[in-house]
Amino acid sequence: DIVMTQSPDSLAVSLGERATINCKSSQSLFYSPNNKNYLAWYQQKPGQSPKLLIYWASTRESGVPDRFSGSGSGTDFTLTISSLQAEDVAVYYCQQYYTTPPLTFGGGTKVEIK
Amino acid sequence: EVHLLESGGGLAQPGGSLRLSCVASGFTFSNYVMSWVRQAPGKGLEWLSALGGSDGSTYYADSVKGRFTISRDNSRNTLYLQMNRLRAEDTAIYYCARLYSGFCTKTSCLDWFDPWGQGTLVTVSS
Repeated sequence: DIVMTQSPDSLAVSLGERATINCKSSQSLFYSPNNKNYLAWYQQKPGQSPKLLIYWASTRESGVPDRFSGSGSGTDFTLTISSLQAEDVAVYYCQQYYTTPPLTFGGGTKVEIK
Repeated sequence: EVHLLESGGGLAQPGGSLRLSCVASGFTFSNYVMSWVRQAPGKGLEWLSALGGSDGSTYYADSVKGRFTISRDNSRNTLYLQMNRLRAEDTAIYYCARLYSGFCTKTSCLDWFDPWGQGTLVTVSS
């Protein structure tokens, strides 16, 4: 199974500042035949179900604000919130879909306001 | 609008059974792989099972293989999860999710989850 490790477990960022979340996979998620990284990011706000933010490591889902961006390749990935808003308080999860089953998630990163 | 609504959660005894349902609307249900994911209280997300739209392909996590059975009724736009031999560690919110598929690597054709239902809480306790 591919193990997904997120860091940090939590972070507190001031409004308007940048938040950076890291996700590391135990195996490369890059598939050379189509030049894609098989990684998605989700946002789970308090009391809500998860919501897809990004797939293919960097493609924003329709309707997701452009302050959210994904980057990285291979085994190391980053979700960046360029200017944190109050409504971005949530837990963020990465998920690999390179080798399944199982589909595996990172442990989550909680983002709070400083 | 795409919508998923789970039901069937509640309190079950250890060793008991429950059946969860997920009614889908807003898309052609039979065209999509559907999946169950759970979240234990205060914990992260754990994928459990997936079922192909029309080919009947099933996939299970080792933690539930042999105890849980996924099924669907495309005429009713409904996904099910039959949970048997329940354990205390099965206590969680259970989410239904549409699973995109088809962008295959050599080792997978299952992709990302979108959207998710609101979840149904299962508590296993005596």
